[in-house]
Amino acid sequence: AQTVTQSQPEMSVQEAETVTLSCTYDTSESDYYLFWYKQPPSRQMILVIRQEAYKQQNATENRFSVNFQKAAKSFSLKISDSQLGDAAMYFCAYRPRGAGTASKLTFGTGTRLQVTL
Amino acid sequence: GAVVSQHPSRVICKSGTSVKIECRSLDFQATTMFWYRQFPKQSLMLMATSNEGSKATYEQGVEKDKFLINHASLTLSTLTVTSAHPEDSSFYICSARLGFSGNQPQHFGDGTRLSIL
Repeated sequence: AQTVTQSQPEMSVQEAETVTLSCTYDTSESDYYLFWYKQPPSRQMILVIRQEAYKQQNATENRFSVNFQKAAKSFSLKISDSQLGDAAMYFCAYRPRGAGTASKLTFGTGTRLQVTL
Repeated sequence: GAVVSQHPSRVICKSGTSVKIECRSLDFQATTMFWYRQFPKQSLMLMATSNEGSKATYEQGVEKDKFLINHASLTLSTLTVTSAHPEDSSFYICSARLGFSGNQPQHFGDGTRLSIL
């Protein structure tokens, strides 16, 4: 079974600074997707960034980028120029490429990010 | 972008009541829908996966007679919590995906906070 581990329950960053959230996963699959989701106090799940395992290039979305290390099964999220609106719970998630009910998301336990002035 | 509408956003009811939560994909056909449960300060736990027109696949430990899932059309899935009790109080989130393939994006509803008195 796949597992996703986020070892940092809480992180804090000052506004305009950079923070990195850690995520490791375990799988025997070779083709899969990795995601970072943001859940603000409103509880809505918002997709931040997505990485396809067969792509070596790290995904980037504006101030958000990932460091994907496939051999190490590591998938960290870097937030640059942090803003107050970045404060939220961040979940790392894994999904195999397969079809049907086998292709389901597995979430990590989450990291709560605080952004201070 | 794709929108998933979940209703109601909050429900408070007495113990023993059955509660129905609706999940609609507004601008795409959701072949596959997922239902999650989230306890306070915890991650999302997948309850079941449903494909349109077929029976839902429940995760281990989830009582199918307790949590009835219906996915009768490509735009609507419902979760009914039957004879709800205080321990069923939680945040429930639905998610919808176009197609069976794992490479399709998954879109989340805003969640339903269920409180059983």
